[in-house]
Amino acid sequence: KQEVTQIPAALSVPEGENLVLNCSFTDSAIYNLQWFRQDPGKGLTSLLLIQSSQREQTSGRLNASLDKSSGRSTLYIAASQPGDSATYLCAAAHWASGNTPLVFGKGTRLSVIA
Amino acid sequence: GAVVSQHPSRVICKSGTSVKIECRSLDFQATTMFWYRQFPKQSLMLMATSNEGSKATYEQGVEKDKFLINHASLTLSTLTVTSAHPEDSSFYICSARAGEGHRYEQYFGPGTRLTVT
Repeated sequence: KQEVTQIPAALSVPEGENLVLNCSFTDSAIYNLQWFRQDPGKGLTSLLLIQSSQREQTSGRLNASLDKSSGRSTLYIAASQPGDSATYLCAAAHWASGNTPLVFGKGTRLSVIA
Repeated sequence: GAVVSQHPSRVICKSGTSVKIECRSLDFQATTMFWYRQFPKQSLMLMATSNEGSKATYEQGVEKDKFLINHASLTLSTLTVTSAHPEDSSFYICSARAGEGHRYEQYFGPGTRLTVT
């Protein structure tokens, strides 16, 4: 059974810092891995999706990497801003076209201090 | 990206009543939809997987008679919380899985905040 772990659970940084959020998964037979952002009381916003055949994806100040063999993914946020404060969730998809849902980590709660 | 809507966004109901939550994929067809529940400061917990035209598959510990799921079309799934109680108060989020053209990505609705008094 796939298990997804995120470290750290919470992180507080001053504005402008570059930071890395970590995600690990136990079953490397994933189809893709997604990173989401969730603001308090809100739904999920998809940030990046990395296919199993890819090593990384970039969107603006965000860069996500994937190392299937080691069961790890990282989300790099450059030049952090207070607006980046949110909970970041990673989730692994085990099977492309079947019913298997995303398996979520518990998230990293990020606070960027102005 | 693709859009998933949920309605209502917030609902308050009295204990013992039933509440229906709708989930729609607006610009794509979703053969599979998922319903999650999220308690404060916790991650999403999968409740059930719903396939168009067939019965939903519930996760262990989720009562199928209490949480009725109907996936009537490729763009609509509904979750009905029957005889709601205060412990059912939670944030309910639906998700729709797109097809190959969307890389089988799961898109999420904005969530429904249910409060049972």
